Amino acid sequence: NAGVTQTPKFQVLKTGQSMTLQCAQDMNHEYMSWYRQDPGMGLRLIHYSVGAGITDQGEVPNGYNVSRSTTEDFPLRLLSAAPSQTSVYFCASANTGELFFGEGSRLTVL
Amino acid sequence: AQSVTQLGSHVSVSEGALVLLRCNYSSSVPPYLFWYVQYPNQGLQLLLKYTSAATLVKGINGFEAEFKKSETSFHLTKPSAHMSDAAEYFCAVSDAGGTSYGKLTFGQGTILTVHP
Repeated sequence: NAGVTQTPKFQVLKTGQSMTLQCAQDMNHEYMSWYRQDPGMGLRLIHYSVGAGITDQGEVPNGYNVSRSTTEDFPLRLLSAAPSQTSVYFCASANTGELFFGEGSRLTVL
Repeated sequence: AQSVTQLGSHVSVSEGALVLLRCNYSSSVPPYLFWYVQYPNQGLQLLLKYTSAATLVKGINGFEAEFKKSETSFHLTKPSAHMSDAAEYFCAVSDAGGTSYGKLTFGQGTILTVHP
């Protein structure tokens, strides 16, 4: 029972590089979202999706892109990484009563 | 706009003592409220949730929380702390229509330390 799977778990980038954080869920949830976690700031919503083909911005969307071509997948793209994007990223999917989280992707931008 | 304030970034208790983690929220619409727990190097796990039914909510691992509208609070308690309770705890709020959209607003987190 995989739940929400994120890859990679760790990544180091140089400023200006691009990359994609992958997220897949096998619970057939319509709703998926990306959060970033920084010390003392809790989790902040980056982007979310209410179904395939539908995405919207959260609290801190700048520097990130998303797409939702299938129900299962919700990748997060960093087009030009900046040191301020050093963080732990969590993907989550939701049913009507609970948010299920992946184990996180730790990103360091040098 | 919604917001959550967790009072105390660090709480330390002795094993067997009462655990009290404080959460106050602000919401212009009836809220749904959640407590999540995060163990080191893991994702977040739901402890309990309030979705406008009973105001006293019981969760996993002996935790419970009480929704008090007049105080805009949703404090988390456990009568007797166990060493395995050491973790970071997050309070979160969404509007009643927002839960299923994954649009939760989280507090800053409280790290619970349990001493032998």
